[in-house]
Amino acid sequence: DAKTTQPPSMDCAEGRAANLPCNHSTISGNEYVYWYRQIHSQGPQYIIHGLKNNETNEMASLIITEDRKSSTLILPHATLRDTAVYYCIVRVVASYNTDKLIFGTGTRLQVFP
Amino acid sequence: AAGVIQSPRHLIKEKRETATLKCYPIPRHDTVYWYQQGPGQDPQFLISFYEKMQSDKGSIPDRFSAQQFSDYHSELNMSSLELGDSALYFCASSLRGTGTISGNTIYFGEGSWLTVV
Repeated sequence: DAKTTQPPSMDCAEGRAANLPCNHSTISGNEYVYWYRQIHSQGPQYIIHGLKNNETNEMASLIITEDRKSSTLILPHATLRDTAVYYCIVRVVASYNTDKLIFGTGTRLQVFP
Repeated sequence: AAGVIQSPRHLIKEKRETATLKCYPIPRHDTVYWYQQGPGQDPQFLISFYEKMQSDKGSIPDRFSAQQFSDYHSELNMSSLELGDSALYFCASSLRGTGTISGNTIYFGEGSWLTVV
């Protein structure tokens, strides 16, 4: 399974951009990178996903390096409500019978006033 | 938009009792996943179902069983409960269909808190 490495914690000032890095050097060519966040014991919330192109939605931007070995999640204007644990996940799909998300330890983002 | 619905939200059981958690996926979603999150831990994959058949199995104890019904809702049955089963249990769903698996977003419910005393 492709594993991810994230810093355990990060701080960000409110209103500034939060850049959360993720390493996934063993990712396979057909595996997507997904980002979820979990706000204190709530259900993991989907943020964004991508394969090899940069992606943007109303929540965030995802920048994937050309070699796909790392990515960065960007929250353009962090707010206090963005304080959460952010999970970078490589979706494991070897076949239709092995589709699941494997959560690592994530990055605990603290947004401060 | 409709989300994944889980019930009950909170459940307290005694050791050796049985508990059943229910999950109602997003309408038209055909795949259901169950996760367990212990205190201070990250979510752990338990089991998944696609079109009412077990699809994949993770670290699910033998005391636990699950199934997906004809209306696509799923139930997680936990027997001979132990103190260590106290956790937040998440259900998630996706539409696998015939598209690219990796591109089908998986959505999570708010979870069911199980406390075993």
